[in-house]
Amino acid sequence: QLVESGGDLVQPGGSLRLSCAASGFTFNNYWMTWVRQAPGKGLEWVANIDQDGNEKDYVDSVKGRFSISRDNVKKSLYLQMNSLRAEDTAVYYCAREMAVAGGSYNYYGMDVRGQGTTVTVSS
Amino acid sequence: EIVLTQSPATLSLSPGERATLSCRASQSVSGYLAWYQQKPGQAPRLLIYDASNRATDIPARFSGSGSGTDFSLTISSLEPEDFGVYYCQQRRNWPSYTFGQGTKLEIK
Repeated sequence: QLVESGGDLVQPGGSLRLSCAASGFTFNNYWMTWVRQAPGKGLEWVANIDQDGNEKDYVDSVKGRFSISRDNVKKSLYLQMNSLRAEDTAVYYCAREMAVAGGSYNYYGMDVRGQGTTVTVSS
Repeated sequence: EIVLTQSPATLSLSPGERATLSCRASQSVSGYLAWYQQKPGQAPRLLIYDASNRATDIPARFSGSGSGTDFSLTISSLEPEDFGVYYCQQRRNWPSYTFGQGTKLEIK
């Protein structure tokens, strides 16, 4: 199970930190991902992070503004969002993806288990 | 960036009919394509990964095929709960991903 939180109404230029609490699987064996969906629009991959928190990747539109991190002890994933823009308004979902164990990579799809958290950027 | 184009934009069918949804990539994604279903107000649900592998608990009426640039999702006999929006997604350049724009499957 994945439970997202932290969404809110924020002014343009503001900051927000999203959290995702994981349970029911071995969190530190998976890459984790954030995906978002703007109102009435399709899905967009935002960022992901490896099982140790060392390797990260971002969609171009958020590079330099968003930062993904994780705490394997707390089994939690985070997304720090700075310099927010109106176009960042969306429901944000966390998901588990690539499984890594003993140096072996196994992919079983991007499993979006949470219900999402809503971020609204508006003045 | 690899662009995924889904067709048709909307598909109107009746329960019991066969549905075929298409996804075309702007360049080869090998077999690294997934399909998701989303219903209003819900998170997307993984159906198929790596072109033809059904995810856990996905009914056998859902099947995926294709490789390279052309992929299909087939629902052999539509059930009422199958209506919604379907997205394809590629991971050819993992760890980054892109999604298609979606196909809406609606009740005729």
